[in-house]
Amino acid sequence: NAGVTQTPKFQVLKTGQSMTLQCAQDMNHNSMYWYRQDPGMGLRLIYYSASEGTTDKGEVPNGYNVSRLNKREFSLRLESAAPSQTSVYFCASSDRRAGNTIYFGEGSWLTVV
Amino acid sequence: AQTVTQSQPEMSVQEAETVTLSCTYDTSENNYYLFWYKQPPSRQMILVIRQEAYKQQNATENRFSVNFQKAAKSFSLKISDSQLGDTAMYFCAFMKPPLYGGSQGNLIFGKGTKLSVKP
Repeated sequence: NAGVTQTPKFQVLKTGQSMTLQCAQDMNHNSMYWYRQDPGMGLRLIYYSASEGTTDKGEVPNGYNVSRLNKREFSLRLESAAPSQTSVYFCASSDRRAGNTIYFGEGSWLTVV
Repeated sequence: AQTVTQSQPEMSVQEAETVTLSCTYDTSENNYYLFWYKQPPSRQMILVIRQEAYKQQNATENRFSVNFQKAAKSFSLKISDSQLGDTAMYFCAFMKPPLYGGSQGNLIFGKGTKLSVKP
């Protein structure tokens, strides 16, 4: 039961570097999401993809880009990392056929120095 | 815009006792979903329980149950027979129902309640 898988789990970047967080789900869900969690806060939505071929901005999209590569995979790219992007990133998925509950990956710890 | 408020930043309970975590929310929607997620030290987000607003019956999952008061916009979580493994952050979350063929995609989270279960 893999569910939602994210890579890498830990990453340290220098300011200005770029990187891509990868996410894949094996539940045949239509919708996928990227959230970030900062200390003392709940998760905030960065981008989501309601279905293959579509992406939309969430609450905090600035500094990020996403790609819905196919139904299984949804990647998050930081083009020029900034210290303010130090956070824990969660990928998630959901589907109407599964009751619309959002299921999360294990999180990716990103530190920008 | 929807908001979710958890007024208890930290709580503690003795093992085997019962504890209730509070959550209130603000929305003008009539139909929506409410969730409680658990985040242990591993940081994984684990679904505890969900409630659909159109259902009057309170959801239960083993030792976890909710008290859903739609008119008061209140959604509290009761944990019975608390266990050491229940120690975690607990997040209340709100979601609008998805549009046909897609999803609103936005869980609105409270700031969480840190629960400690003491032996």
